[in-house]
Amino acid sequence: DAGVIQSPRHEVTEMGQEVTLRCKPISGHDYLFWYRQTMMRGLELLIYFNNNVPIDDSGMPEDRFSAKMPNASFSTLKIQPSEPRDSAVYFCASSFRGGRYNSPLHFGNGTRLTVT
Amino acid sequence: QKEVEQDPGPLSVPEGAIVSLNCTYSNSAFQYFMWYRQYSRKGPELLMYTYSSGNKEDGRFTAQVDKSSKYISLFIRDSQPSDSATYLCAINDYKLSFGAGTTVTVRA
Repeated sequence: DAGVIQSPRHEVTEMGQEVTLRCKPISGHDYLFWYRQTMMRGLELLIYFNNNVPIDDSGMPEDRFSAKMPNASFSTLKIQPSEPRDSAVYFCASSFRGGRYNSPLHFGNGTRLTVT
Repeated sequence: QKEVEQDPGPLSVPEGAIVSLNCTYSNSAFQYFMWYRQYSRKGPELLMYTYSSGNKEDGRFTAQVDKSSKYISLFIRDSQPSDSATYLCAINDYKLSFGAGTTVTVRA
């Protein structure tokens, strides 16, 4: 298996522009998570899905952030409009839980976002 | 208060030393505890997990949980330069909550 695939690896954009981050989870996994990592705040959970349905989006910082999972093999995280403080590394992770909480998360290699 | 607190370090040790990493957590109901390792410019990967209290050993790595004091630890014996990475503790109920991560450098 290729693992969790994220694109793009790097994104540089200007303040006010729309940014779309993409994620392909591992086939067969039923949970998908979006995290953001910064030096100041560490790894923060933004939102997670179970079987394509958003379960908890309480970590989404503002209405400028939105996430979708139209099918089991694809998810997007969109920021519109982007701001410099959104600069961070965004990780997607997937997991197969089948009702168990101890299943590990498999992370992608992240998208490094820089908003100027 | 964050659900899990971790000293971000950084920590620098000579090759062969024992590395000791610690976290504290706030909710005594948590049952699953994990350690993830993150190399530079990569995503975190699961290193070890433990359930409830006690020790778990895997090669040079030992994870400990003390539920009475809400304290979790990771020990790395005979540390190698390849162990240089950021180590994140995590607690797991229906979602993972991560500590800030401790950056470890093992000097050859």
